[in-house]
Amino acid sequence: EADIYQTPRYLVIGTGKKITLECSQTMGHDKMYWYQQDPGMELHLIHYSYGVNSTEKGDLSSESTVSRIRTEHFPLTLESARPSHTSQYLCASSERLAGVLTGELFFGEGSRLTVL
Amino acid sequence: DAKTTQPNSMESNEEEPVHLPCNHSTISGTDYIHWYRQLPSQGPEYVIHGLTSNVNNRMASLAIAEDRKSSTLILHRATLRDAAVYYCILRDFYAGAQKLVFGQGTRLTINP
Repeated sequence: EADIYQTPRYLVIGTGKKITLECSQTMGHDKMYWYQQDPGMELHLIHYSYGVNSTEKGDLSSESTVSRIRTEHFPLTLESARPSHTSQYLCASSERLAGVLTGELFFGEGSRLTVL
Repeated sequence: DAKTTQPNSMESNEEEPVHLPCNHSTISGTDYIHWYRQLPSQGPEYVIHGLTSNVNNRMASLAIAEDRKSSTLILHRATLRDAAVYYCILRDFYAGAQKLVFGQGTRLTINP
């Protein structure tokens, strides 16, 4: 069983509000990721981190920001939510890649955000 | 990045084997073949991966063609809980997991 947790699972919020989606993992993984997925569509990487104080933008441009102050915690923030931000946000983590290791991604259950 | 091609959807019956195909004709010598699946309302989960030889684990088997241009994920005895979207993904030996590209996948329906 993967030990990666996301809160909230569901959030309905009004336009202009600031929101933070929480993601925590207890596996001691260095690398963490945020993906965005619309219903029935592909996952798109929006942010990732190699470790504490490291953050990088992913393939899909996003107005969200992330921080990595602690190894186990990788929150995602939207300063001013808009209806276009309505989506599912998935957090994942992995061990540092080392050759034949899988580099397997462990995903949380996701946070489904609806902005009215 | 090398791409994969999968059927959009497949259907099978409970307790029967399921063979999910994946084409990756531009695969390079350092690409691993990974399979993930995403159950409804869940994040994806790792299923299996391989390089050249066929692989088995408790969830599934992975059959890799001799020229590595295609592979097949085999669920030996499907259950209703296997209904999910299955993603076939290539990962370069030297690349980090951020390079994994989740395409449309194959939506597998299991009939009771």
